[in-house]
Amino acid sequence: DTEVTQTPKHLVMGMTNKKSLKCEQHMGHRAMYWYKQKAKKPPELMFVYSYEKLSINESVPSRFSPECPNSSLLNLHLHALQPEDSALYLCASSQAARLNTEAFFGQGTRLTVV
Amino acid sequence: GENVEQHPSTLSVQEGDSAVIKCTYSDSASNYFPWYKQELGKRPQLIIDIRSNVGEKKDQRIAVTLNKTAKHFSLHITETQPEDSAVYFCAASLRPMNTGFQKLVFGTGTRLLVSP
Repeated sequence: DTEVTQTPKHLVMGMTNKKSLKCEQHMGHRAMYWYKQKAKKPPELMFVYSYEKLSINESVPSRFSPECPNSSLLNLHLHALQPEDSALYLCASSQAARLNTEAFFGQGTRLTVV
Repeated sequence: GENVEQHPSTLSVQEGDSAVIKCTYSDSASNYFPWYKQELGKRPQLIIDIRSNVGEKKDQRIAVTLNKTAKHFSLHITETQPEDSAVYFCAASLRPMNTGFQKLVFGTGTRLLVSP
């Protein structure tokens, strides 16, 4: 199983809503990542988790709150987002955050903030 | 610094032609350089990668070359096919100061269109 699964595929939320994005992998990877991708732009790293601990936070606003409940799951909790936060949110995983190995991406959640 | 430049931004070729995409990076400590293909509405997928201890790697119609001195690396696709049409991103590894962790910095992307 080389899949990274993200739910939901699409999400529309208001600026006062609270929602969560979910990501799951069963490859035994110990590094998990959240990326944000705007249209026609490259993925931009938001967070890196290594062995369930937050290791890199790319100065992401606090309205985005990551959580790693266990080695297979990664969540991104969203609260009080702005329309400019609308983007494709990609989860990825790799063997370990200290190694240079292939990062496997999920299919993403397309988020629209209205 | 964290910077990966990628050229060209768009590339149109005829089926059967070769395509070359070039990237430059700024951090001399970068030692891992993957290339991702992203089709419209789909996830980025690794197509080939190279580490700094080799200068070239080939996988069927795809090859990557690395010039560490010049901080350049390039993707070469031969005998292009319409299904090669996609956005291609290069990336370079970066180790933020005071951490032992690697992260990828992506280039700006190249939209490749292969016409039949």
